[in-house]
Amino acid sequence: DAKTTQPPSMDCAEGRAANLPCNHSTISGNEYVYWYRQIHSQGPQYIIHGLKNNETNEMASLIITEDRKSSTLILPHATLRDTAVYYCIVLYTDKLIFGTGTRLQVFP
Amino acid sequence: NAGVTQTPKFRVLKTGQSMTLLCAQDMNHEYMYWYRQDPGMGLRLIHYSVGEGTTAKGEVPDGYNVSRLKKQNFLLGLESAAPSQTSVYFCASSYSGPNEQFFGPGTRLTVL
Repeated sequence: DAKTTQPPSMDCAEGRAANLPCNHSTISGNEYVYWYRQIHSQGPQYIIHGLKNNETNEMASLIITEDRKSSTLILPHATLRDTAVYYCIVLYTDKLIFGTGTRLQVFP
Repeated sequence: NAGVTQTPKFRVLKTGQSMTLLCAQDMNHEYMYWYRQDPGMGLRLIHYSVGEGTTAKGEVPDGYNVSRLKKQNFLLGLESAAPSQTSVYFCASSYSGPNEQFFGPGTRLTVL
């Protein structure tokens, strides 16, 4: 199963774009990249997912490199409420395998 | 819609005691999952189910059993609790495997 590598922590100023990187160099051709976040001690929340093309929804954008070995989650205008742990996950069969994620701190 | 609910929210057990955690979803989802999260760690999959009457092992299934007798419910059992099972337990459901998973609020379990 493909593993992901993320920086343990990042900071971002409120109102600025937050760009969260993820490496998944062993990803297979039919494996999706998913992003979830966990705010404080709540259950994780789905953000976005993609296979090959870039994706955008009301929460974020997902940029996947052409070789699919890495991706970037973009929160275009970070707010204090976006402070959370962000998980980049490669879907393994039907199972999400979580890593330790990136702790994003948004400051005023 | 309530989404995914978990019962109880908190529980303290003594070593060797047994208990069952209940997860319920009202979204008619086929897939259901049980995860545990230890301090400072990501979630680890315990067991999951791809439909009523089915169960399968995840990453860390030892010491746990599950049952999916009804589509909307997924039960997680601890037959003989151990301090190593102290954790926060999250349940999730999804329409199908690749779709987004909806998570419950978690159950905080302490085993003394």
